[in-house]
Amino acid sequence: NAGVMQNPRHLVRRRGQEARLRCSPMKGHSHVYWYRQLPEEGLKFMVYLQKENIIDESGMPKERFSAEFPKEGPSILRIQQVVRGDSAAYFCASSPNTFNYGYTFGSGTRLTVV
Amino acid sequence: TQLLEQSPQFLSIQEGENLTVYCNSSSVFSSLQWYRQEPGEGPVLLVTVVTGGEVKKLKRLTFQFGDARKDSSLHITAAQPGDTGLYLCAGLQTGANNLFFGTGTRLTVIP
Repeated sequence: NAGVMQNPRHLVRRRGQEARLRCSPMKGHSHVYWYRQLPEEGLKFMVYLQKENIIDESGMPKERFSAEFPKEGPSILRIQQVVRGDSAAYFCASSPNTFNYGYTFGSGTRLTVV
Repeated sequence: TQLLEQSPQFLSIQEGENLTVYCNSSSVFSSLQWYRQEPGEGPVLLVTVVTGGEVKKLKRLTFQFGDARKDSSLHITAAQPGDTGLYLCAGLQTGANNLFFGTGTRLTVIP
């Protein structure tokens, strides 16, 4: 019973390149959440998705960032034209329903922009 | 303005000591959760509290939700080096779609 799978674990991109972060939720979970964590800080909400739908993207920057959760396959967080300030750990979490008695988090993707 | 403030921000104690970590807000939450995060890993859920005044125990950890559902505390008895980590509280506001995380308390237990 695999947990939330994120890949890659580490990603290095040069300024201006694109970063694609993938998240496969736990089996049976249809709700996916993306959070960003800067060093020595808590987690900041970015986006909440259900299959084929973006439910809440209020925490995601309007430009360069996008997310999807297709009918088949993992959820993707895409960052275009990355800048140094995008360097952070990006965590994906999933839950089985909206009542939200707990998230299961993945191990994260650590993005470094050089 | 931070919705959930945790204190202390850093805590370093000797093995065997007791400690309490606080999570405070001026907002009401329908539920509140505590997570522990170790370096290089994602947060792991410890407990969820949903009723004002609720107390839950998990071995040496005791969690309390404030009567007004605006604050919570985590008490650890006889801390062990394995308790070392970043402790995060997270709240769900009524009608919200996502958890709001606190600022975190970084605990170090020295053997």
